[in-house]
Amino acid sequence: DVKVTQSSRYLVKRTGEKVFLECVQDMDHENMFWYRQDPGLGLRLIYFSYDVKMKEKGDIPEGYSVSREKKERFSLILESASTNQTSMYLCASSEDITSTDTQYFGPGTRLTVL
Amino acid sequence: ILNVEQSPQSLHVQEGDSTNFTCSFPSSNFYALHWYRWETAKSPEALFVMTLNGDEKKKGRISATLNTKEGYSYLYIKGSQPEDSATYLCAFFGLETSGSRLTFGEGTQLTVNP
Repeated sequence: DVKVTQSSRYLVKRTGEKVFLECVQDMDHENMFWYRQDPGLGLRLIYFSYDVKMKEKGDIPEGYSVSREKKERFSLILESASTNQTSMYLCASSEDITSTDTQYFGPGTRLTVL
Repeated sequence: ILNVEQSPQSLHVQEGDSTNFTCSFPSSNFYALHWYRWETAKSPEALFVMTLNGDEKKKGRISATLNTKEGYSYLYIKGSQPEDSATYLCAFFGLETSGSRLTFGEGTQLTVNP
């Protein structure tokens, strides 16, 4: 069974802290994604990666960076957390990058920045 | 910025009712339309991927139709059950979103009361 796991379901951090959100997939997928979801807005793409050590900015990359050192793991980094980064963060992976490829999601990390 | 809109934002129905909701998307440069179901505390999971105008897909009591010429898709649930309670997301993949970027709507939150 396909599985995407995220390191924490809930996380509370203070403004200015460096925050790491980890995502692991067991499907040997090439592509991995980080989204955030806020009330009244659709999932918005922060960054995605199509191969180890490769990354591309999504629609809202400001304030975030990513790391993909191994195929199965994709990390989202908040260098200096701010209150406007309080959100639900979802990781996803897909086998390919065509229009019909399904993305498989993790359960999400609800991050609160105080 | 592509506009993918879902309506209504939320819906409360009684068990046994049939219901439907809408996803609107740009009608030009269409490649695919995805539907996902996101139950509380779980991962979003794929329901359908549709690519052709007039496409109809069915999974149990849930079905979807696609009109690419006018830019909308309907999701129908026949005889709603409490376990259908979830947020239903649609996601558009078009020419302008190449690079495996799905553009998500904000979702329709369905609550089915027993």
